[in-house]
Amino acid sequence: SYVLTQPPSVSVAPGKTARITCGGYNIGSKSVHWYQQRPGQAPLLVIYYNSDRPSGIPERFSGSNSGNTATLTITRVEAGDEADYYCHVWHSSSDHVFGGGTKLTVL
Amino acid sequence: QVQLQESGPGLVKPSETMSLTCTVSGGSISNYYWNWIRQPPGKGLEWIGYIYHSGNTNHNPSLKGRVTMSVDTSKNQFSLKVKSVTAADTAVYYCATSRSGSSLGAFDIWGQGTMVTVSS
Repeated sequence: SYVLTQPPSVSVAPGKTARITCGGYNIGSKSVHWYQQRPGQAPLLVIYYNSDRPSGIPERFSGSNSGNTATLTITRVEAGDEADYYCHVWHSSSDHVFGGGTKLTVL
Repeated sequence: QVQLQESGPGLVKPSETMSLTCTVSGGSISNYYWNWIRQPPGKGLEWIGYIYHSGNTNHNPSLKGRVTMSVDTSKNQFSLKVKSVTAADTAVYYCATSRSGSSLGAFDIWGQGTMVTVSS
C-alpha cells in the first residue's frame, strides 16, 4: 500500500513562513491535496491538485510537488492558522490515502 | 451549495453492526461519488470507501469486507454499515464528496462528522 509521511509537528513564529512536507514514493507524479483541520471541526480543503486554491482560501497558502516530496507553504503565518494539516493522494493500489497529519503550532 | 449531514447512533456494542446515514441537501445525489472517512480520537484520517448513485462501490481493503454501503436516491441519502465492530472502530465518521465529480478528486465538501463509540 502507498504511504504518505508527514512530520508530526511544525512550529513557526507569527509572520514567518511555515512549510509542511508530505513524503511518498514518486509523489511528484501524483495529485496532492491538503486539508486544514481545527479542533472539533471537519477538515477543510486548502490546496488541491498540488497548487490550486479553493475559493476563499487566502493566497498565503500555496503548494508544490516534486520528486518524493510535496510541500504546503503558509506565508505570514497567523494565530488562526494553528491546526492539523493532512496531505491526501489517490493511488491506484491504495485508492485514497492520507498522511498522518502535522500539527502546526504558532509560537 | 451541497451540504452533508451525518446521522446515527453514537454508541454501538462490540460485535454489533454500526449504521450511519448521510443526508445530501442543496443538490442531487446523482451527481457525485459519496465517500465515508473516519478519524479515531487523536489520530489521522482514514478513507473507508465511496458509493456512486448507480450503486457502484469501492472500499478500503483494510476493513476486510466488514463494510456495506448503499444509496437511496429518493431520499437523497447514502448509508454506511460496518459489521462486527470493535473498539478500534471508535471514531468520528465523516461523509464527504468532490464537486469535481471524480472518484479520484479532492474532498471539498464534508459533513460535520458524527462520533461513534464502540463500548458495552
